[in-house]
Amino acid sequence: DVKVTQSSRYLVKRTGEKVFLECVQDMDHENMFWYRQDPGLGLRLIYFSYDVKMKEKGDIPEGYSVSREKKERFSLILESASTNQTSMYLCATSGQGARSGYTFGSGTRLTVV
Amino acid sequence: EDKVVQSPLSLVVHEGDTVTLNCSYEVTNFRSLLWYKQEKKAPTFLFMLTSSGIEKKSGRLSSILDKKELFSILNITATQTGDSAVYLCAVEETGTASKLTFGTGTRLQVTL
Repeated sequence: DVKVTQSSRYLVKRTGEKVFLECVQDMDHENMFWYRQDPGLGLRLIYFSYDVKMKEKGDIPEGYSVSREKKERFSLILESASTNQTSMYLCATSGQGARSGYTFGSGTRLTVV
Repeated sequence: EDKVVQSPLSLVVHEGDTVTLNCSYEVTNFRSLLWYKQEKKAPTFLFMLTSSGIEKKSGRLSSILDKKELFSILNITATQTGDSAVYLCAVEETGTASKLTFGTGTRLQVTL
């Protein structure tokens, strides 16, 4: 089974802090994604990557950046955390031609105070 | 703009009932439609549908896609309390990385 591991389950940060959310997968998948999930808004794509050092903006990239230096690791960076970035963050992966959609990590619930 | 709309937003049923969840979509470069179940943590994969009219089935759950009318339904028969969850519909586009556009989900509660 594909394992997608997010480094923290719960995180509390102060406004203005730089925040790193880490995602590691163990199945050599090319594609990795960061979503945030908010009540009434569903999952919204922040950034994705289809190869090492490659990244593309999703639907809501403002206030975020990403890093993919190694195939197995995809990091989401909040340059200066704000209260409106309080959310559940979900990492997901998929392989090329995958016929079973994404595999998700367990999520990180981030609270910015 | 790509859009995925699910209905109803929420639903409460009694154990043993049959439910139908709906998903309509407007996506430019459609590749597939996926259904996920989300309880407390990460969404778990249920079905991937690529062809119209072919029902996918897993136990009490089944799903079908209509690519002409741009919608899909997820049926759950003989519901159980363990079916209580948020059900997410997502559409996959062609192109790099197979990104998914999600609907807001249907929250299903099954009561005794």
